Amino acid sequence: DTEVTQTPKHLVMGMTNKKSLKCEQHMGHRAMYWYKQKAKKPPELMFVYSYEKLSINESVPSRFSPECPNSSLLNLHLHALQPEDSALYLCASSQGTTGANVLTFGAGSRLTVL
Amino acid sequence: AQSVSQHNHHVILSEAASLELGCNYSYGGTVNLFWYVQYPGQHLQLLLKYFSGDPLVKGIKGFEAEFIKSKFSFNLRKPSVQWSDTAEYFCAVNANAGNMLTFGGGTRLMVKP
Repeated sequence: DTEVTQTPKHLVMGMTNKKSLKCEQHMGHRAMYWYKQKAKKPPELMFVYSYEKLSINESVPSRFSPECPNSSLLNLHLHALQPEDSALYLCASSQGTTGANVLTFGAGSRLTVL
Repeated sequence: AQSVSQHNHHVILSEAASLELGCNYSYGGTVNLFWYVQYPGQHLQLLLKYFSGDPLVKGIKGFEAEFIKSKFSFNLRKPSVQWSDTAEYFCAVNANAGNMLTFGGGTRLMVKP
């Protein structure tokens, strides 16, 4: 299995809702990532987990809360989002935790905040 | 902090034309370099990567890239493009010691049949 699976593919939520995005990989990768991609823009790093511990938080607002329950799963909990948070949220994983590793990306969860 | 610049935002070519997409980065230390492609409606896929060794690297689908350290560049090339190469291409850089992959702004390539 060489895939990163993200659910749901599409999510529409109101500004007062609480929802979660889920990401799963079974490649034995030890680093997992959340990226945000706005339309016609490059992916921007949000969070990095290395060996299930949060290692990088790119000054992301607290309305985004990551969680890594185990080495295969990565969640992104969403609460009190704003319309400008509408974007494609990409999960990725890599075998190692240094720069000389290839990131494998999922297809993304497209989030619309009304 | 590292940054990545892609000079061409939109490129339109006819089939069989040659392609070169520019990528420059700013980081003084050892870097790892990547080109990713995003076909319409699909996820990001790795085209090729450079970690060390031969600065001319070959990737999938006939793509290659050359790392020129003195110019901080990692340009992507393909001798003859096909309609199926229509996609968005992202250059990305990672410092050797960390795992913060930084993407360039992307180049949207359209190949006319």
